[in-house]
Amino acid sequence: AQKVTQAQTEISVVEKEDVTLDCVYETRDTTYYLFWYKQPPSGELVFLIRRNSFDEQNEISGRYSWNFQKSTSSFNFTITASQVVDSAVYFCAILGETSGSRLTFGEGTQLTVNP
Amino acid sequence: DTGVSQNPRHKITKRGQNVTFRCDPISEHNRLYWYRQTLGQGPEFLTYFQNEAQLEKSRLLSDRFSAERPKGSFSTLEIQRTEQGDSAMYLCASSGGFWADEQFFGPGTRLTVL
Repeated sequence: AQKVTQAQTEISVVEKEDVTLDCVYETRDTTYYLFWYKQPPSGELVFLIRRNSFDEQNEISGRYSWNFQKSTSSFNFTITASQVVDSAVYFCAILGETSGSRLTFGEGTQLTVNP
Repeated sequence: DTGVSQNPRHKITKRGQNVTFRCDPISEHNRLYWYRQTLGQGPEFLTYFQNEAQLEKSRLLSDRFSAERPKGSFSTLEIQRTEQGDSAMYLCASSGGFWADEQFFGPGTRLTVL
């Protein structure tokens, strides 16, 4: 079984601040994939990134960056210079080799960026 | 470039009625998934199709729920004898041929059972 914990239920920042969203996962699988999705107020889940368990390289995409550390079972997401449009619920999810094709999501972190 | 579409977007029904939702995946995707999301929670997996074959079903999918994907294209999710606890957002997603390809989600159907 897989499990994802997003301990931060809500985060509120002021525009241009940096913010990190935490994600801790549990799995017994050797091969697994980690994901981040964004769910804006409109409701549609938007795919942000996929990372496999054998690739611990950090990734940067514009203002977004991800830090994957197997030693702490964490896959944290940082937004640099946050903007109001970043306000959304962010979900971390895991897909393990023994879980078939079912994504297991965390409970999400509501990020509010205030002007 | 058309994404995943779902109809209807909203459905209000009375307890005991049957409802059916439709999902049209991205055309070249052969994998299709249904999830349910309640307020303040992450999506929970319901079922998965590869082409027309239903390969996985969650324990959440009681015998009042049935899903089909005839001809491996669009899919329908039917809930019979709806209960108030069925009120949720029903999300459909699709992905390509690799088991861990990213899943692309539709806008969802919000069901309210009165």
